[in-house]
Amino acid sequence: EVVMTQSPLSLPVTLGQPASISCRSSQSLVYSDGNTYLNWFQQRPGQSPRRLIYKVSNRYPGVPDRFSGSGSGTDFTLKISRVEAEDVGVYYCMQGTHWPRTFGQGTKVEIK
Amino acid sequence: EVQLVQSGAEVKKPGESLKISCKGSGYTFSSSWIAWVRQMPGKGLEWMGIIYPGDSDTRYSPSFQGQVTISADKSISTAYLQWSSLKASDTAMYYCARGGNSPDYWGQGTLVTVSS
Repeated sequence: EVVMTQSPLSLPVTLGQPASISCRSSQSLVYSDGNTYLNWFQQRPGQSPRRLIYKVSNRYPGVPDRFSGSGSGTDFTLKISRVEAEDVGVYYCMQGTHWPRTFGQGTKVEIK
Repeated sequence: EVQLVQSGAEVKKPGESLKISCKGSGYTFSSSWIAWVRQMPGKGLEWMGIIYPGDSDTRYSPSFQGQVTISADKSISTAYLQWSSLKASDTAMYYCARGGNSPDYWGQGTLVTVSS
């Protein structure tokens, strides 16, 4: 099974400052169709996970443009350009290329 | 509007059986995979398995194979997750989510509590 490793696991950020989360996979996430199925989710306290990014860098409708995803192969990053109070929560990467699908451990973003 | 609505919270005793549900609406249910994800108290997300309602193709994570059964009834746009004999360690929130490669819509979660 593909292991997804996120860092850091805890990320205190000052409001208005940028934040960056790394996600590394134990195998390449490039699928046979040429796509790389690396997704990012946000889970606010007490809520269901919410979709943010799919196929590495595509934002879903309604996701603020301060969120961006990048990377390739086995190395991926989620960036928040200017953290806002509503961004507090846990962020997960998830690979959708290999069976079984797997999540990273989660990165808790909090305000300093 | 796409929605996944899950059944309500359950409190069960060890050894009891349970089946929880996830009803899809606002899209063609039989044409999208439905995944199940576990979140134990205070912990992260764990992918359990997935089903394609159109042909009932089902895949399990090795960690959950043999521990749960995933099924679907496309005639009523509903997917299920079931246990034949619950353990205290099954206490968790369970989410369903639409999509095989990139889950997009998520249910509200079903809290399962197993306690004697």
